[in-house]
Amino acid sequence: DAGVIQSPRHEVTEMGQEVTLRCKPISGHDYLFWYRQTMMRGLELLIYFNNNVPIDDSGMPEDRFSAKMPNASFSTLKIQPSEPRDSAVYFCASSPYGRGATYEQYFGPGTRLTVT
Amino acid sequence: SQQGEEDPQALSIQEGENATMNCSYKTSINNLQWYRQNSGRGLVHLILIRSNEREKHSGRLRVTLDTSKKSSSLLITASRAADTASYFCATDYGNNRLAFGKGNQVVVIP
Repeated sequence: DAGVIQSPRHEVTEMGQEVTLRCKPISGHDYLFWYRQTMMRGLELLIYFNNNVPIDDSGMPEDRFSAKMPNASFSTLKIQPSEPRDSAVYFCASSPYGRGATYEQYFGPGTRLTVT
Repeated sequence: SQQGEEDPQALSIQEGENATMNCSYKTSINNLQWYRQNSGRGLVHLILIRSNEREKHSGRLRVTLDTSKKSSSLLITASRAADTASYFCATDYGNNRLAFGKGNQVVVIP
């Protein structure tokens, strides 16, 4: 298996622009997580899905952030409009079927977002 | 939000030595996990220990859990340069999400 796939790996954009991050989870995994990692705040859970349904979005910072999972093999995290404080590494992770939201998670390589 | 706190924050050791890092948490947990992150990469799951377990091994890794002290330790034996990474503990407080610590930076000098 190729593991969790994220694109793009790096994104540099100007403040105010829309940013879309993409994730393909491991086939057969039914949980998908979006995290944000910064030096100051560490790794924060933004939102997670189970069987394509958003379960907990309490970590989404504000309305500028939205996430979708239209099918079992694809998810997007969108920021509109982007701000410099959104600069971070964004990780997607998935968890094997039936294991739940709090067992081993498989992380993608991350997208490093820089907003200038 | 509650999360594990690793200690020490940074550790530098010679290849072949053992590396020990600790994680403390605040309230009761269902399980505790350790992850490794190499520079510029995603986190990799290493080991999970349940609240009713006291010790687990996986290769050169040994994890202990002391629920009375609300702490866990990760021991890497016979360290290698490839073990250079950040190590995170993650706790399941029963709220259907993992809380990650800030991480330990371990540098293994060849």
